[in-house]
Amino acid sequence: GAVVSQHPSWVICKSGTSVKIECRSLDFQATTMFWYRQFPKQSLMLMATSNEGSKATYEQGVEKDKFLINHASLTLSTLTVTSAHPEDSSFYICSARDNSRGTIYFGEGSWLTVV
Amino acid sequence: QKEVEQDPGPLSVPEGAIVSLNCTYSNSAFQYFMWYRQYSRKGPELLMYTYSSGNKEDGRFTAQVDKSSKYISLFIRDSQPSDSATYLCAMSAANNDMRFGAGTRLTVKP
Repeated sequence: GAVVSQHPSWVICKSGTSVKIECRSLDFQATTMFWYRQFPKQSLMLMATSNEGSKATYEQGVEKDKFLINHASLTLSTLTVTSAHPEDSSFYICSARDNSRGTIYFGEGSWLTVV
Repeated sequence: QKEVEQDPGPLSVPEGAIVSLNCTYSNSAFQYFMWYRQYSRKGPELLMYTYSSGNKEDGRFTAQVDKSSKYISLFIRDSQPSDSATYLCAMSAANNDMRFGAGTRLTVKP
């Protein structure tokens, strides 16, 4: 079964609104979680690294004020896409590193469509 | 030069064939090596995890890491149509920074 739960699995929103995506580790603690974006037929693009209790580290070119990340507990990280625009439509995937084993597990992904 | 190079394919093989998927990398600090399988419109699923050099076998899957050549491989024996997916190699150093290959699209034809 899934060890990382991502919600919602898909969402459609109007341009200008904000959307929150949750990433939960179900049976392990994760000090570090990662957020990716994936365009069709392309590989995963790391957006930011989320660390519990501290500010996220964003990759170059990713707007931190547009993609707000909160990692308030060892099992939950959230990504909020603020003032969404059609070009933000994409597949967003989170992953979490199991503190005890070091392995990384991915969520099922969230499809965002901005209309 | 990308840190991780992976031939995107597509790769098409008949059912029962042995599949060989490969990645090369340039960062000698990478210590953790992983292979993920991603079905269309789904998140990647961890298949194999290897630390440092060596081989690891799990059922029909074998992962090999050659740190001296900066080369990793995933072999799939007795391939099945259900193995059709995109396979991503991934690797990271001790600082948790993970890098992915572009992914190889595999189709196993019945």
